[in-house]
Amino acid sequence: SQWGEENLQALSIQEGEDVTMNCSYKTYTTVVHWYRQDSGRGPALIILIRSNEREKRSGRLRATLDTSSQSSSLSITAAQCEDTAVYFCATGTGYQNFYFGKGTSLTVIP
Amino acid sequence: DPKIIQKPKYLVAVTGSEKILICEQYLGHNAMYWYRQSAKKPLEFMFSYSYQKLMDNQTASSRFQPQSSKKNHLDLQITALKPDDSATYFCASSGCSDYTFGSGTRLLVI
Repeated sequence: SQWGEENLQALSIQEGEDVTMNCSYKTYTTVVHWYRQDSGRGPALIILIRSNEREKRSGRLRATLDTSSQSSSLSITAAQCEDTAVYFCATGTGYQNFYFGKGTSLTVIP
Repeated sequence: DPKIIQKPKYLVAVTGSEKILICEQYLGHNAMYWYRQSAKKPLEFMFSYSYQKLMDNQTASSRFQPQSSKKNHLDLQITALKPDDSATYFCASSGCSDYTFGSGTRLLVI
C-alpha cells in the first residue's frame, strides 16, 4: 500500500511567484522526505522533516509537517526557472524503505 | 563524480531472457535499496538491504533477486523478463540524514 500520496497535479507558475505542494499520507511516519527529479535523472533529496518538527527551512524551500492530519507541504519562495522539475514526497519509518507519492510536475515560466 | 554508479544506463532485453543491473555506491552507506519507476505507477520500493542483509522485500515476484557481493554493491538480477518489467530501476543508499539515488537503468523488454 502506498504510504505517501500527493495530490497529483501539474503546476505552471511565473518566475518569482511562490508555490506550495501538498502531500498526505496514510500510515504513521517518522520522517517525510521531499525530492525533486529532473528529466532523465534519479530523485534528489532536497529537504527532510522529522515527526517532531513542524517546519523546516532550507534556502528558498520550506517544508511543514502536521502529524495529526498526516499531511506535509513543500513551499518554494520566489520560484526560478531551474526549479522546474517533478517533486515527490516520500514517507517512511526511519531510514529504511520509503513510499513515494505520485509527484507534482512544476513548470516555472520565465 | 557520481556517488552511486548504476550500469548499464540503458538496456534492451528480449522477453524471457535474464539481466543483471549493477549498483555501486561510494558514500560509505550501510543501507542500500532498489526502486522501480514506470510511467504507470509512482516510484515503487522493491528491496532494502542493511549490512548486506535483506531487510525488506516488497516485490511479489521471485524473478527479482538482489545480490550483494560487497558492502557497497547491490545488484539486481531479473529472470524470465516480461514486457511489463520495462521501467527505470533506481538504486539508492542511505545514511543518517541523507538518502541518495543513482541515475537509474532504463530497461526495455521487447
